[in-house]
Amino acid sequence: GIQVEQSPPDLILQEGANSTLRCNFSDSVNNLQWFHQNPWGQLINLFYIPSGTKQNGRLSATTVATERYSLLYISSSQTTDSGVYFCAGSGGSYIPTFGRGTSLIVHP
Amino acid sequence: DSGVTQTPKHLITATGQRVTLRCSPRSGDLSVYWYQQSLDQGLQFLIQYYNGEERAKGNILERFSAQQFPDLHSELNLSSLELGDSALYFCASSVGQVNEQFFGPGTRLTVL
Repeated sequence: GIQVEQSPPDLILQEGANSTLRCNFSDSVNNLQWFHQNPWGQLINLFYIPSGTKQNGRLSATTVATERYSLLYISSSQTTDSGVYFCAGSGGSYIPTFGRGTSLIVHP
Repeated sequence: DSGVTQTPKHLITATGQRVTLRCSPRSGDLSVYWYQQSLDQGLQFLIQYYNGEERAKGNILERFSAQQFPDLHSELNLSSLELGDSALYFCASSVGQVNEQFFGPGTRLTVL
């Protein structure tokens, strides 16, 4: 199956700061998603973005499928943004693979 | 609320026992996926069913089995439980075979 690498593994921000999270894939993916796992363990859909750019409020994401990477931008971060951010996708085998995540802490 | 439901929320059992986790997909979704999340292994895909048929298989142990019923709900059976099976088990659903997935709240399994 494909390998998914996320960076950075950990991120600590002050409220109001901006950040960029990256996801690299070892091969082409069919269906790339970004998730936020909140401190209660819930996995919340952020973006379904096999290619292109999408925006939702303070969050936006860009996937460059030909170069096998995706970026998640968080602007004006808030304490409620804390948690773990995962990207996931599947290649030709249709086996979904998650990255190890980026753990984000936003301090007030 | 994603629309995917999982029961039970928490399960505490002993080594050697067998448990069944249940998942109901979102209305209209035909695919159900099962995942295991542990601290050391991260989020691991176990198995996918699409409209009652097994669609893809990941790192699912032989002690684990799953099925999807005609009403599209799914059950994950874990047997001969070991301490290392303690984890958060998620179910997800999607409309088709390769689409955006929506996750349930998870079942936290503790094996003592």
